[in-house]
Amino acid sequence: AQSVSQHNHHVILSEAASLELGCNYSYGGTVNLFWYVQYPGQHLQLLLKYFSGDPLVKGIKGFEAEFIKSKFSFNLRKPSVQWSDTAEYFCAVYKAAGNKLTFGGGTRVLVKP
Amino acid sequence: DVKVTQSSRYLVKRTGEKVFLECVQDMDHENMFWYRQDPGLGLRLIYFSYDVKMKEKGDIPEGYSVSREKKERFSLILESASTNQTSMYLCAISFPGTTVNTEAFFGQGTRLTVV
Repeated sequence: AQSVSQHNHHVILSEAASLELGCNYSYGGTVNLFWYVQYPGQHLQLLLKYFSGDPLVKGIKGFEAEFIKSKFSFNLRKPSVQWSDTAEYFCAVYKAAGNKLTFGGGTRVLVKP
Repeated sequence: DVKVTQSSRYLVKRTGEKVFLECVQDMDHENMFWYRQDPGLGLRLIYFSYDVKMKEKGDIPEGYSVSREKKERFSLILESASTNQTSMYLCAISFPGTTVNTEAFFGQGTRLTVV
């Protein structure tokens, strides 16, 4: 079965620190990859997405992610976090064969002011 | 703006009741999904549908069923609600395929409590 793994459940860091969240998936076929963010009390929002082309994608709020096909990974990064980045982050993989969209378990990020 | 509307924000039901959660979209997207979101477990896929009257089991379909009689509406049914189905339920929509934008759009969620 297709699975999506996020390595960290909780991350605590200070403002201006760099952030990297890992995401690995198990499916080897054609996929689309996403990172979503959920701020406290709010809906899920799309941060960025990868369909094809340049494996380094840039999203909103200074986030970027790199797709490494050989490692089945799509890690999220931000060079310098702000207190407002406190949220839960979800990696998601869409598999065209089967139309299935699967999420990882999420990573709660707390940025200390 | 894409609109995905879930019929209720909050629901409280008794154990054994039949519960209907409704999701309606106005964007003509083929794919519709039902997830439940629980702390530490992320979003787990219950059922999804890629066309009218078509449905596929997700990762945790037990205790649930779905109905899609019209393209814009996807219903999640708890045949006999149990306390372990207390959760936040999220509906999502997307286009199929990988050559178009398959970004998923979410409803606001329904927080269901089964007592």
